[in-house]
Parts: sequence; structure tokens; C-alpha cells
Amino acid sequence: SQQGEEDPQALSIQEGENATMNCSYKTSINNLQWYRQNSGRGLVHLILIRSNEREKHSGRLRVTLDTSKKSSSLLITASRAADTASYFCATDAATGRRALTFGSGTRLQVQP
Amino acid sequence: DAGVIQSPRHEVTEMGQEVTLRCKPISGHNSLFWYRQTMMRGLELLIYFNNNVPIDDSGMPEDRFSAKMPNASFSTLKIQPSEPRDSAVYFCASSLLVQENYGYTFGSGTRLTVV
Repeated sequence: SQQGEEDPQALSIQEGENATMNCSYKTSINNLQWYRQNSGRGLVHLILIRSNEREKHSGRLRVTLDTSKKSSSLLITASRAADTASYFCATDAATGRRALTFGSGTRLQVQP
Repeated sequence: DAGVIQSPRHEVTEMGQEVTLRCKPISGHNSLFWYRQTMMRGLELLIYFNNNVPIDDSGMPEDRFSAKMPNASFSTLKIQPSEPRDSAVYFCASSLLVQENYGYTFGSGTRLTVV
């Protein structure tokens, strides 16, 4: 199975609400990254959190990392219709393959 | 920088034909990655290069797939002969890989349809 698995697979919220997406992974990591993909486009890097960090903020994004549980969450506060996209976590494994492994993604729909 | 540039954006070809996808990475990045995205399998790493050298091609489905990086500014992914199951969106990404992976910059992808 994939290194990163997102939960939920799909999420629909109203504009102004917060959106939380979760990611679980299996192996030790150097860092974990979140990406966004609009329909028909390439992925865009959002934020990177290192294995020795527990929380990181960037604008309306807040990422947490719990290496003991091998899980991460992405919180988007005060969501906007423009946040509608798919969101992927990606892990940089500490050993073995030296390329990011992407999860299956969460499709976020923000209703105006 | 114009970002990672992929061509063509769309390709429709008949089964058995040769397909060549092209990628120009960001100048200064030392690593280039080819991923394939499908609904069923998500994003799969096909191959990646570091300093123009193929490092891990374990994701290449079979001998029909080949990839080259003749210099730091150009890479190709070739499928010969193509099959309908190769239909997918193929992404190229580049990054600076030192002791860890930093953020990748993705191209817009090539949507391949094999009929």
C-alpha cells in the first residue's frame, strides 16, 4: 500500500468553515510535505514539516506532525471557494527510496 | 523562471505507436522525477534522476518504458509500443535534493490517451 494515506477521501464544507485532512504513513521520515492539485493541473507545494517539528503554520494553513503515531494533519482555516482542490501528503523516507511517496489525496469542495 | 515545462499537454495515439513525453526542469535543480497519475493507482513514481543519472527506475512498468536525461535541462519519457493501459496523466517534477527532499515543482502534466 502507499506510504501516505489521506483521510477523508472527500470533504465538503461551507465557505468560512475550517477543513481538516489527515495523513498516515508507515516508515521513518525526514520530512512530510503537503501539496495541492487543482483539477487538470500539476501539484503545487504548500508546506514542509521536518521530523523534529510538531507544528508549522503558513498563512491559513496549519500542519501538525506526530511521528510516534506516524500521522500528520493539515488544517485550512476560514476556507474559501478557491480552496476547492485535491490535497496530497507526501513523505520523504529516511531510508530506501529517495523520492517522495504521495498519498491518495483528499478532495476538498468548499461551497460558496 | 517559467517553472517546469512539459510537452505536449495532450497526446492521443493509437495502440502500438511510440510516444515521447518531454520535460524541461527548473534551472539549478539537481533532481528530476517522472510520476504517473491515474484514478485507480494515484500518483506513482516511475523514475528519478539525480545530476542527470538515473537513480531509481523500479517504478517503470516494463521494458516498453524508457527515460533519458541527456543534460541538466531536458528529459524524455518514451513508451514504445504504447497500450491502452498506459493512458494516464504523466507529470515531471524537479527539485533540489541534498540530504533530504525539498519541495517539488511540478509541470502541468501530459494527458496521454491510447486508443
